[in-house]
Amino acid sequence: ETGVTQSPTHLIKTRGQQVTLRCSSQSGHNTVSWYQQALGQGPQFIFQYYREEENGRGNFPPRFSGLQFPNYSSELNVNALELDDSALYLCASLSSGPIISGANVLTFGAGSRLTVL
Amino acid sequence: GDSVTQMEGPVTLSEEAFLTINCTYTATGYPSLFWYVQYPGEGLQLLLKATKADDKGSNKGFEATYRKETTSFHLEKGSVQVSDSAVYFCALHGGATNKLIFGTGTLLAVQP
Repeated sequence: ETGVTQSPTHLIKTRGQQVTLRCSSQSGHNTVSWYQQALGQGPQFIFQYYREEENGRGNFPPRFSGLQFPNYSSELNVNALELDDSALYLCASLSSGPIISGANVLTFGAGSRLTVL
Repeated sequence: GDSVTQMEGPVTLSEEAFLTINCTYTATGYPSLFWYVQYPGEGLQLLLKATKADDKGSNKGFEATYRKETTSFHLEKGSVQVSDSAVYFCALHGGATNKLIFGTGTLLAVQP
C-alpha cells in the first residue's frame, strides 16, 4: 500500500467541461506533487504544493490549478478541458519537505484516468 | 535542459532470461537517479535509486549503477519472472528543483 489514495479512478468528461481530481496523502506528508502521464509517455510534472502554497510549476497553462488542505488532502482542477488533457493524473507526496533526495522520495498514488471526449 | 532517454520497448523475454534496460541522462551537476515500475492498472512504485556516482541501487533482484562517465543508469536483472512484466521508468532529480524528469518508459513482457 502506497499511502497515497486518489479519486476517482476513472472518469469521462467532454471538451470544455471542468474536472476536479482528489488526492489524500499520508499524515505528515506536507508536500504533494501532481503529474500528467499521457498514454505511452512518462509522467510530466504539473506542479507541487508545500504547506498549502504552490511551490513550483511545470509547463502547463493556468487552467491547471491546485489546492492543498491542512488535512494532507489536495485537489487538481482543470478548466476548459481539451482532448489532449486525456491522461492518467498521478498524485505523489514527499515525507520530509519539498525537495526530493535519496532519503525523501516521491510516493505515488494509483492515479485518476481522465478521458475527454 | 535535463532529460532522460530510455531504450524503446517493448522488450519481450522468456522467464529466467537476463534483462537490461538502457537509460542515459543529460543533466547539469550531479542528479539523483531512480527507477520506477508501473504494473498494469497501478501507479508508480519506486524500484531503486542512486544518489552519487558509482552508487549501486538494488531491490528485488534488480540492480542499476550510477555511471557518471557514461551518464548512464542501466537496469539489470539476472533472471526475470512473469511477475516482472510491467513498464519501467528511469527518472532523474537534479539540483534544487522539486520535480522528477522521467523517460518515456520501457514495457517489459516476460513469457513463461
